[in-house]
Amino acid sequence: DAKTTQPPSMDCAEGRAANLPCNHSTISGNEYVYWYRQIHSQGPQYIIHGLKNNETNEMASLIITEDRKSSTLILPHATLRDTAVYYCIVRVPLNTDKLIFGTGTRLQVFP
Amino acid sequence: DVKVTQSSRYLVKRTGEKVFLECVQDMDHENMFWYRQDPGLGLRLIYFSYDVKMKEKGDIPEGYSVSREKKERFSLILESASTNQTSMYLCASIGTGGYNEQFFGPGTRLTVL
Repeated sequence: DAKTTQPPSMDCAEGRAANLPCNHSTISGNEYVYWYRQIHSQGPQYIIHGLKNNETNEMASLIITEDRKSSTLILPHATLRDTAVYYCIVRVPLNTDKLIFGTGTRLQVFP
Repeated sequence: DVKVTQSSRYLVKRTGEKVFLECVQDMDHENMFWYRQDPGLGLRLIYFSYDVKMKEKGDIPEGYSVSREKKERFSLILESASTNQTSMYLCASIGTGGYNEQFFGPGTRLTVL
């Protein structure tokens, strides 16, 4: 079972920041928070991951609360191509660890 | 850029046919995975392989087999396709060491008639 809870859907205006929340209240000390997204009819795409510090890369920023029970993925300037289902996953990054996707958040970016 | 490719994006087969789904990665990754994705059920692991000629069953291996003769190639085989195997099939790979993410292929949407 997925260990995360996400809102089923969100809307965002193009050019604005999209903030996608995720609750993971039972996260263990050695589990990381990973974010993936899946654009319609394509394979999931890795976005970012973090343990407890905030992280930023060319795609997004990840903000993890101090108690690590929740996090927020931020797309700073959403575009129409960011319309996708976004999945938050917590896992110990072992190489043979299967990914358990929850239902995710369907983000709709509108013009 | 890292790359995982799958042999077909869309495939239509008939019940009872033997079906081969091919996955190739160019990242020299040791570990490869086959998932299927169905509405409301999320991703489910079928098989995975952590080395050439090595394989492990995932959560739903029934009706499937796999082959890993070369490091870069991981094949999923449906011995006798059935309509309940109509699904999106996703291949993924990951390297050893560090905190590497899994890289996914584009998926194969298989329809069994």
